Amino acid sequence: AQSVAQPEDQVNVAEGNPLTVKCTYSVSGNPYLFWYVQYPNRGLQFLLKYITGDNLVKGSYGFEAEFNKSQTSFHLKKPSALVSDSALYFCAVRDSTGGFKTIFGAGTRLFVKA
Amino acid sequence: DAGVIQSPRHEVTEMGQEVTLRCKPISGHNSLFWYRQTMMRGLELLIYFNNNVPIDDSGMPEDRFSAKMPNASFSTLKIQPSEPRDSAVYFCASSSTGTGYSNQPQHFGDGTRLSIL
Repeated sequence: AQSVAQPEDQVNVAEGNPLTVKCTYSVSGNPYLFWYVQYPNRGLQFLLKYITGDNLVKGSYGFEAEFNKSQTSFHLKKPSALVSDSALYFCAVRDSTGGFKTIFGAGTRLFVKA
Repeated sequence: DAGVIQSPRHEVTEMGQEVTLRCKPISGHNSLFWYRQTMMRGLELLIYFNNNVPIDDSGMPEDRFSAKMPNASFSTLKIQPSEPRDSAVYFCASSSTGTGYSNQPQHFGDGTRLSIL
């Protein structure tokens, strides 16, 4: 069975500092991994994905994520946080061996302080 | 390009009434998903369609909920009769998929905020 864990309900960081939002996953086959962001009163927006290849994936708005197969992790990172990055972030996984079902984590609220 | 379009954006109705939520997916996408988001339960997948056919409806809470996709450009989620515990934000998402697999992201609408009094 597929599962995703986001161990932190909230992450607080000062503007200009690096940020990390953690995600671990479990799938039976190889994973397709995704990060989404949700702003108030909006739907989820796609940030980046890992399918195969380079373990460091770059996405929108300066975000990147590192795939670590041995640790089954896919942490979201940004070198320098902005106040406007404050939002709810979701990690998601899909099993590459088949099916369309995506499992979403519970979400991590990022708060960037000026 | 137009994204996923949901209507209405807000719906307030009384318990027992029928509620119909509507979704227009992105043109060319062949998978459609309905989700429900609440503070307590987070984001829950209710049902998803591939090529207009329901593939998995195991997330539909009970028989009061039903979903249809009569064509590639339209889907509805209906609740009859509605109850206060159905209050939530309902999202529709669409995606482009291959045969039996997909490595493409989902594109979400901005949701319908449903309040059942």
